[in-house]
Amino acid sequence: QSALTQPASVSGSPGQSITISCTGTSSDLGHDDTVSWYQHRPGKAPRLMIYDVNNRPSGVSNRFSGSKSGNTASLTISGLQAEDEADYYCCSYTTTNTYVFGPGTKVSVL
Amino acid sequence: QVQLVESGGGVVQPGRSLRLSCAASGFTFSNYAMHWVRQAPGKGLDWVAFISYDGTNKYYGESIRGRFTISRDNSENTVHLQVISLRPEDTAIYYCVKDDNSGPGAFEIWGLGAMVTVSS
Repeated sequence: QSALTQPASVSGSPGQSITISCTGTSSDLGHDDTVSWYQHRPGKAPRLMIYDVNNRPSGVSNRFSGSKSGNTASLTISGLQAEDEADYYCCSYTTTNTYVFGPGTKVSVL
Repeated sequence: QVQLVESGGGVVQPGRSLRLSCAASGFTFSNYAMHWVRQAPGKGLDWVAFISYDGTNKYYGESIRGRFTISRDNSENTVHLQVISLRPEDTAIYYCVKDDNSGPGAFEIWGLGAMVTVSS
């Protein structure tokens, strides 16, 4: 059982924007800004998309953005494209020096 | 370019031990913390262990604490995961992951993973 909660699935049409929420507690998401998001396509290695709430690594499209309010973080994908179909995981560092992942959200492009 | 290559996976009987290794290249290994993250078949990502850049700090996931040991050799640019008393629920792909910092940060670069199957 994950310590973070995410919707099981989110879908949208090409060009639309979608938002994936990630809810935790004051011991993880609410503690500091060490929250990150990962894209995972079948058969591939996961890929870092957002770190420290709202920072994009080099090479990640600016269509991906992150935010956080209290114990809830969000990942927004704007201008949805077919290549964005994947599982997305949020992750947070915790007050006990551990990391917790959300259960993952399957993004489908209609 | 940055590359992480895991080795040591395979089929192991319950109760046996296993040592996974990860060879790193393309960056100054001794400057970065490292992690192991796993994914069981049909399940989500599960953080396993962390080791700081110099090996002095090690943290473990609650589900594996006491059975797994992470270590690193900065002279060989390798990180290891020693697992004892393997259980069927340890069956997973084990990913070696480079942190984006010297201490706890984000999982910046992932290897392709090593499959571990625990079965009699």
